[in-house]
Amino acid sequence: DAGVIQSPRHEVTEMGQEVTLRCKPISGHDYLFWYRQTMMRGLELLIYFNNNVPIDDSGMPEDRFSAKMPNASFSTLKIQPSEPRDSAVYFCASSLPGVDQPQHFGDGTRLSIL
Amino acid sequence: EDQVTQSPEALRLQEGESSSLNCSYTVSGLRGLFWYRQDPGKGPEFLFTLYSAGEEKEKERLKATLTKKESFLHITAPKPEDSATYLCAVQADGSNSGYALNFGKGTSLLVTP
Repeated sequence: DAGVIQSPRHEVTEMGQEVTLRCKPISGHDYLFWYRQTMMRGLELLIYFNNNVPIDDSGMPEDRFSAKMPNASFSTLKIQPSEPRDSAVYFCASSLPGVDQPQHFGDGTRLSIL
Repeated sequence: EDQVTQSPEALRLQEGESSSLNCSYTVSGLRGLFWYRQDPGKGPEFLFTLYSAGEEKEKERLKATLTKKESFLHITAPKPEDSATYLCAVQADGSNSGYALNFGKGTSLLVTP
């Protein structure tokens, strides 16, 4: 079975540019999560969706960040304009409904903003 | 505010040398405690979910236990392939928490031959 698929795996861009990260969740998973991982802060939840609807975006750091889920098989996380402090590894995860269901993670996008 | 603290930050073991990793948590009400393994350049991989104090779960050389304040991940006779970062996460019980996971910063385990 295909797991969570993220693209690109690596992104290097200059400050001020728009960055778009993409995620395809596991088929049949109703929940989709975006996380950010840094050495300083560890793994932090940014936003999550249920049935394509954003449920909790309290972790989104500022208005420069936005996330969408136009359908059940695709989500994007956009940063505009990007800043060097946005450099991190961004993970997408998905899960079945039910609070006891584990979240399954993709292999992440390593983002470097110069 | 919910808090998850893992210790030690890093641990080096000889192959076959058993040890335990600690995850201390503060949460208003625990819905579940999750253990994940993360290899370099990869996303976290799910290992266990624990729900109530006294619960234990095992998988190969790993055993996870839970008390009201902390969880332990016991590694028995580790092998070099057990080298990874082990992450602990809690899910709080409350209408505002939903499905959010609060992760600790992890323990980086190195097992040498």
